[in-house]
Amino acid sequence: SQQGEEDPQALSIQEGENATMNCSYKTSINNLQWYRQNSGRGLVHLILIRSNEREKHSGRLRVTLDTSKKSSSLLITASRAADTASYFCATDITGGGNKLTFGTGTQLKVEL
Amino acid sequence: EAGVAQSPRYKIIEKRQSVAFWCNPISGHATLYWYQQILGQGPKLLIQFQNNGVVDDSQLPKDRFSAERLKGVDSTLKIQPAKLEDSAVYLCASSLTALRAFFGQGTRLTVV
Repeated sequence: SQQGEEDPQALSIQEGENATMNCSYKTSINNLQWYRQNSGRGLVHLILIRSNEREKHSGRLRVTLDTSKKSSSLLITASRAADTASYFCATDITGGGNKLTFGTGTQLKVEL
Repeated sequence: EAGVAQSPRYKIIEKRQSVAFWCNPISGHATLYWYQQILGQGPKLLIQFQNNGVVDDSQLPKDRFSAERLKGVDSTLKIQPAKLEDSAVYLCASSLTALRAFFGQGTRLTVV
């Protein structure tokens, strides 16, 4: 079963705009990670936020985590056409033995 | 550093036939995952190995799917016999810790 659900399922924006996608999960976690997947390719790790952290930055990426609401958001600032991809959150569940459970994904399209 | 290698990249088989996928993880990574990703969905964990032991195979359809990891390095995933609903991308990933997983390019299986 899917631990996380992403919202929206699809997002289309213009280059230079910001993109925000959200992830909700069901059970207690050790950390939450975001991955990107270009069409027909494998997933690439973007950023990790631990359960005791509230916000993390990496380049144009900003991740927030609200454990009380069991939700996270990924913000991509000043988007580029190359950011077009699917984005997935993955949770490392407490007591889950390092199992990574992925959400349903957000398809982002950045248009020129 | 060499990435996770998977083969073949593509496979087309008829239903009821057998198929096998191979994965070579990053050297030194103790944890190996096999995920199934159906078009438009997030990756679903099939099986997780820690060295050559199985940590989680709760979502592996054991009547037709099997996996092994010989000597705690390479792994093979087999489907016998295949069904139409097995059409998906099969992703292998490896990790040193629970903080980041490295994915291969995947094997796209089409069952006709």
